[in-house]
Amino acid sequence: EVQLLESGGGLVQPGGSLRLSCAASGFPFRDYAMSWIRQAPGKGLEWVSSVSGSGGDAYFADSVKGRFTISRDNSRNTLYLQMNRLGADDTAVYYCAKGLVPSVVGLNWFDPWGQGTLVTVSS
Amino acid sequence: QSVLTQPPSVSGTPGQRVTISCSGSYSNIESNTVNWYQQLPGTAPKLLIHNNNQRPSGVPDRFSGSKSGASASLAISGLQSEDEADYYCAAWDDRLNGPRFGGGTRLTVL
Repeated sequence: EVQLLESGGGLVQPGGSLRLSCAASGFPFRDYAMSWIRQAPGKGLEWVSSVSGSGGDAYFADSVKGRFTISRDNSRNTLYLQMNRLGADDTAVYYCAKGLVPSVVGLNWFDPWGQGTLVTVSS
Repeated sequence: QSVLTQPPSVSGTPGQRVTISCSGSYSNIESNTVNWYQQLPGTAPKLLIHNNNQRPSGVPDRFSGSKSGASASLAISGLQSEDEADYYCAAWDDRLNGPRFGGGTRLTVL
């Protein structure tokens, strides 16, 4: 069974940093692109970032470009999201999701999703 | 605003058929496939329709998807109370060079 388990969320002050992790199991991790999608309280889904199976190709939403970094450790079956210079607009539940193929180009497949981890940016 | 436009809400009575629209442009829906996601209250989203009109294993055939030009639709027939959820369309956008979600549509079963 494919499982994704996010961790690392919490309360952080504006301007601070946080690193999220997503532990994957039940599938050949390196063979699939992985993504982060977030959902602000009471709002819709917003794609954040995706990384190719090899980790060599990454894409970011304009809202996080230059502040967030996505990476993966295929030896540990783990996806990461390093978030810097956090602001109130980054407050959200962050989900990781598995892609369909190794490539990110053309990606709109997110299945399954983890249970999410809440990031709250507040002083 | 999202580049994919959905109605904020739709409603229907049990047994009824409802449709949810997703309007985009050449750079997203017209040039790429559309997926639909269902988010039940308090849970993570789930893939409902992929490749415009394909249902993953386990999704009832009451759910169907279609695409024409720069618009897509999700239809739910034989509406049931457990269908009450938020529904999102998604498509890759060639101009923005990334996937995009619609704003989401809340389905209420009256």
